[in-house]
Amino acid sequence: QITLKESGPARVKPTQTLTLTCTFSGFSLVTSGVGVAWIRQSPGKTLEWLAVIYWDDDKRYNPSLKTRLIITKDTSRNQVVLTMTNMDPVDTGTYYCAHRLIGHGSWDTGVLDNWGQGTLVTVSS
Amino acid sequence: DIQLTQSPSFLSASVEDTVTITCRASQHISNYLAWYQQKPGKAPNLLIYAASTLRSGVPSRFGGTGSGTEFTLTISSLQPEDFATYFCQQISTSPPTFGQGTELEVE
Repeated sequence: QITLKESGPARVKPTQTLTLTCTFSGFSLVTSGVGVAWIRQSPGKTLEWLAVIYWDDDKRYNPSLKTRLIITKDTSRNQVVLTMTNMDPVDTGTYYCAHRLIGHGSWDTGVLDNWGQGTLVTVSS
Repeated sequence: DIQLTQSPSFLSASVEDTVTITCRASQHISNYLAWYQQKPGKAPNLLIYAASTLRSGVPSRFGGTGSGTEFTLTISSLQPEDFATYFCQQISTSPPTFGQGTELEVE
């Protein structure tokens, strides 16, 4: 059974850096083809793809956010970490990590077959 | 970015009704489309991928069709647990994008 869980601060101030951790089980990020993605959802329910990292350490970012994002993995801890710099109130929302379904879509995209419960991040001074 | 427009944005229906949600893409995306269901306070849940492939474990009352720029999600014989918000997602071109959602409520 695949499970994922996000953790990180509930609130950050404008201009600060957000660091979120996704801890997963039921699969390994050393297995060929496996990827973990981050997606966020605004309070208005808009979903936005942020980034994905693969078993071979290939990393793909949403071009509109690429300069602000860093995604890394720690395979020994079964964790994926997303860092987002220069946070703004418009970045407020629920941040999800998800397992990418193997074999569907290009390496820049993907279908997400298992999601974490999400973590709400509020950006406010 | 490819824009996905869902219609309607809100839909009222009753148990045992059949409903259809449409997702239109701003560019041709072949069959690179997925559908998700989201309930309040929960993460989206994958229902369908490759436009018409039902994810294992998803009830057969859910069906997806379409190719190119127009896609539909049909739910036959609505059950109480089906009242939720539905999103489409394209994975044809980076970045993957999502529709704005269709909220299905009890009439």
